Amino acid sequence: KQEVTQIPAALSVPEGENLVLNCSFTDSAIYNLQWFRQDPGKGLTSLLLIQSSQREQTSGRLNASLDKSSGRSTLYIAASQPGDSATYLCALTGTASKLTFGTGTRLQVTL
Amino acid sequence: GAVVSQHPSWVICKSGTSVKIECRSLDFQATTMFWYRQFPKQSLMLMATSNEGSKATYEQGVEKDKFLINHASLTLSTLTVTSAHPEDSSFYICSVLGISGELFFGEGSRLTVL
Repeated sequence: KQEVTQIPAALSVPEGENLVLNCSFTDSAIYNLQWFRQDPGKGLTSLLLIQSSQREQTSGRLNASLDKSSGRSTLYIAASQPGDSATYLCALTGTASKLTFGTGTRLQVTL
Repeated sequence: GAVVSQHPSWVICKSGTSVKIECRSLDFQATTMFWYRQFPKQSLMLMATSNEGSKATYEQGVEKDKFLINHASLTLSTLTVTSAHPEDSSFYICSVLGISGELFFGEGSRLTVL
């Protein structure tokens, strides 16, 4: 059974800092990995999708990497802003297109 | 990307009543939709996989008679919480499976059962 863990569970950084969120998983047989953000009481917003054959994806200030052999993915956020404050979830698509979510990292970017 | 609409965004009901939540794929024909539930401060948990024209596949521990899922068309899936109780109060989110394997999510529906 796939288990997905995110570290840290919560993170507070001052505006402008670069930061890294970590996602680790136990089963490397995946089709893809996605990073989402969730604002309180809202649905998920897809940030980046990495196919299993890819190593990284970039979108604006976000960069996500995937290392299947070590069972890890990282989300790098450059020059953080208060608007980046949210919960970030990684999720893996395995067999039958089922998605397994990580535990989430709650990010607070302070002024 | 696909636009997914959920309705209602929030609902309050009395214990024992049934509540229907709709999930629409507005610009994409979705053969597969997923329903998730999220309790406060917890991650999303998959409840069931909804396949157009066939019965939904439920995850272990999810009561299929309590959470009725209907996927009658390529653009609409519904989740009906039957005889709702306070412990069913949660945030319900649907998602649509895109061609590339990417998931597109609705805004979610917050259910409060009194």
